[in-house]
Amino acid sequence: KAGVTQTPRYLIKTRGQQVTLSCSPISGHRSVSWYQQTPGQGLQFLFEYFSETQRNKGNFPGRFSGRQFSNSRSEMNVSTLELGDSALYLCASSPWEQPNNSPLHFGNGTRLTVT
Amino acid sequence: SQQGEEDPQALSIQEGENATMNCSYKTSINNLQWYRQNSGRGLVHLILIRSNEREKHSGRLRVTLDTSKKSSSLLITASRAADTASYFCATDPDDGAQKLVFGQGTRLTINP
Repeated sequence: KAGVTQTPRYLIKTRGQQVTLSCSPISGHRSVSWYQQTPGQGLQFLFEYFSETQRNKGNFPGRFSGRQFSNSRSEMNVSTLELGDSALYLCASSPWEQPNNSPLHFGNGTRLTVT
Repeated sequence: SQQGEEDPQALSIQEGENATMNCSYKTSINNLQWYRQNSGRGLVHLILIRSNEREKHSGRLRVTLDTSKKSSSLLITASRAADTASYFCATDPDDGAQKLVFGQGTRLTINP
């Protein structure tokens, strides 16, 4: 089975722009979660999608949004980028809605740099 | 704020030695998981221990859970250079928050 695929691997954007990141979960997995990882804040939960519905949202401003398609692929969008949005964005999939007694399967992330 | 806090923040040992990392958390949990992350890559799941379990093994990994102390430890025996990575604990809090909460991680370096 192919793993979780995130594209692009690297992105460089300027302040004020917007960006869209993509995540393809493991085949058969219906839950996709997004995390932001920075050296200062560690891994912070952004949101989770299950069966095309946002199930849970972390403490991030409305500039961060996402969606999930019928094939379980997910995208997250960040508008009006700020320097502090520079981070590694990780996507993780799971067969069922989180949390449950099963592990998350992570992609290798998208490294976003905002200049 | 982070639910889990790993200790130590960084650990450097010689190949072949054992490495122990600790995780403390604040609220009651359903389960606790350990993940490994190689530099700049995604996290890889290592082991999950449920709140009613006290110890679990997987290969060279041994995880313990003490719910009375709200703490867990990860022991890696006979360490190898390939074990060099950051290790994170993640808790599933029993507070209806419906999300895994990760600690800040322990950076483990295995010296050849």
